Parts: sequence; C-alpha cells; structure tokens
Amino acid sequence: EAGVTQFPSHSVIEKGQTVTLRCDPISGHDNLYWYRRVMGKEIKFLLHFVKESKQDESGMPNNRFLAERTGGTYSTLKVQPAELEDSGVYFCASSQATGGTEAFFGQGTRLTVV
Amino acid sequence: GESVGLHLPTLSVQEGDNSIINCAYSNSASDYFIWYKQESGKGPQFIIDIRSNMDKRQGQRVTVLLNKTVKHLSLQIAATQPGDSAVYFCAETSSGGYNKLIFGAGTRLAVHP
Repeated sequence: EAGVTQFPSHSVIEKGQTVTLRCDPISGHDNLYWYRRVMGKEIKFLLHFVKESKQDESGMPNNRFLAERTGGTYSTLKVQPAELEDSGVYFCASSQATGGTEAFFGQGTRLTVV
Repeated sequence: GESVGLHLPTLSVQEGDNSIINCAYSNSASDYFIWYKQESGKGPQFIIDIRSNMDKRQGQRVTVLLNKTVKHLSLQIAATQPGDSAVYFCAETSSGGYNKLIFGAGTRLAVHP
C-alpha cells in the first residue's frame, strides 16, 4: 500500500511567484493535515481536513496560503504570492480516523523562496 | 547519553549504549503524546505514543516515560544502533487524537561506531 506522497519534493521559486504543493493521502484516510517547518524551527500545524471540509485551519499563517481538498482525496496547498519567510519544509499527514489513531507523514516538500 | 531538550539539540552516543532524549511539553491539558523519528529526506515516522493516564510504555527497544507533574516526556532507546541516527521529535495533542499536533524543537541523535 502506498504511503502519503507529496509533490514536488523540492521547489525553488522567486519571491512573488505562486507555488502549489500537492499531497496524496493514504487511500481511505478521511483526515489530512498540513504542517510546515521553517527556519529550522519546530514543525507547526497548518490545517486539518476531514474529507473535503476544513476542520481546523487555525495554523494557516495568512491569506497568502490556500488549501483545498476537492472530492476529499488529494489536497493542494497554494502559496500566492510567495515570500522569503515561506521557505521551509511542508509536510502532509493522513489518518484513518481521529481520536488516537496514528497519522502517517509524507516525505515533505522543501520550498525555497529566493 | 542524555539530552535536556532545547539546551542540547544534539546527542552523541556510542553504538550499543542506551540513549535518553528528553522533551518538555507546553500544554498541561495535553492528553496524548507521541515520539517521531525523522531521517534525512523523509517525513516524521511514528515510534511510540503514550496517553496521559499512563506514565510508562514500552515498545521494541524503546520506552517512553511521562511525568505530568513537571510536564516532561522522555524517550529511551536501548542498545542504540547506527540506524537510530536521526532527529527525534516529541509531539503533544489535547484533542484525544491526532487532530492538531504540537511538536517540540527536536533532538538530533548521532550514533558513533
């Protein structure tokens, strides 16, 4: 069974450009999470989808970030326009259910804004 | 070898020794704690978890200890192997599950032959 996969693995863009990150969760997992680690700091929660609905988006830093999960399958995270401080590693995770079930992480997308 | 969390972000141990990685968590309402291992180029990988109604849980070569009084979590790795070299993160959540994990800063474990 495939794990959580993220595309691309690495993206280098210029400040002001747009980047879209994609996450394919494990098949059948209703819960999908986005996290990110910037500037060598701790991994921080961005948002949580249950199927196609945003359950919690309290960690989204500002309105330059837009996450979608149309159809409740894969998810995209768009940054528009990208700023230098957006550089970091963006992780996606999925879990079968909430309440004490393990979340599986993807390998991450390393975003570099220059 | 032993780490005290943010003050010593790198822990170096000899192969075969036991490792202890410490973590101070932030939210007294957290009721679920997880240790993750992250190897270079990979995402965090689940190691072991523990609920707040327990103070110790053992897995294969790993033990997690929870001290709610001082909000402290530790990961013990027995007979550390080169393959254990990675960054280790503790994470907490207060939602009863994995809805929103709060991660610690991480500790790098370097195992030397």
